[in-house]
Amino acid sequence: QKEVEQDPGPLSVPEGAIVSLNCTYSNSAFQYFMWYRQYSRKGPELLMYTYSSGNKEDGRFTAQVDKSSKYISLFIRDSQPSDSATYLCAMFSGGYNKLIFGAGTRLAVHP
Amino acid sequence: ETGVTQSPTHLIKTRGQQVTLRCSSQSGHNTVSWYQQALGQGPQFIFQYYREEENGRGNFPPRFSGLQFPNYSSELNVNALELDDSALYLCASSHGTGDGSQPQHFGDGTRLSIL
Repeated sequence: QKEVEQDPGPLSVPEGAIVSLNCTYSNSAFQYFMWYRQYSRKGPELLMYTYSSGNKEDGRFTAQVDKSSKYISLFIRDSQPSDSATYLCAMFSGGYNKLIFGAGTRLAVHP
Repeated sequence: ETGVTQSPTHLIKTRGQQVTLRCSSQSGHNTVSWYQQALGQGPQFIFQYYREEENGRGNFPPRFSGLQFPNYSSELNVNALELDDSALYLCASSHGTGDGSQPQHFGDGTRLSIL
């Protein structure tokens, strides 16, 4: 079993839709949770960074962490064609000094 | 503020050769990590350096080695290249000791192809 599970998609939505992206994890020691966006032929770009359970909002993006369920989500409101990319969840356990990524979800937002 | 830069952007090698990839960390960042990303997969952690010392390593063989320099630039060296080493190699830098309390910022990677 992988430490972090993420549905690879692809996920196709119309412009303006609300997008929900999710990851589950098995290691209860994870403390820091991130979402990255990766365009084709580019490196991952940090979107959201959260510590422990709760919600964090930044513009059209909201990140949720539920440590009791070992489940994290990223919501994108009013999705745009420019949001078309691969979205990677990532988690960090301080004791191991390494970032663990999900496989990434490919998102396509069509006009 | 200068971001993370990596060189070269593309590289083609043959099996058995050796390769060195380079990374310049974001200004002020003293921790650097390297990742391997196979096509269609998430990045896999190779190792991390803080103050020129390796302080974390993933499940990669010893033929993957690294260096961090006093100016916080770094190198990834891979010896005895294998076909499975074909991937995008990503460098990420962050403030702090690399314990996750500071987010990591990535470069655009070096795409390595092994023939």
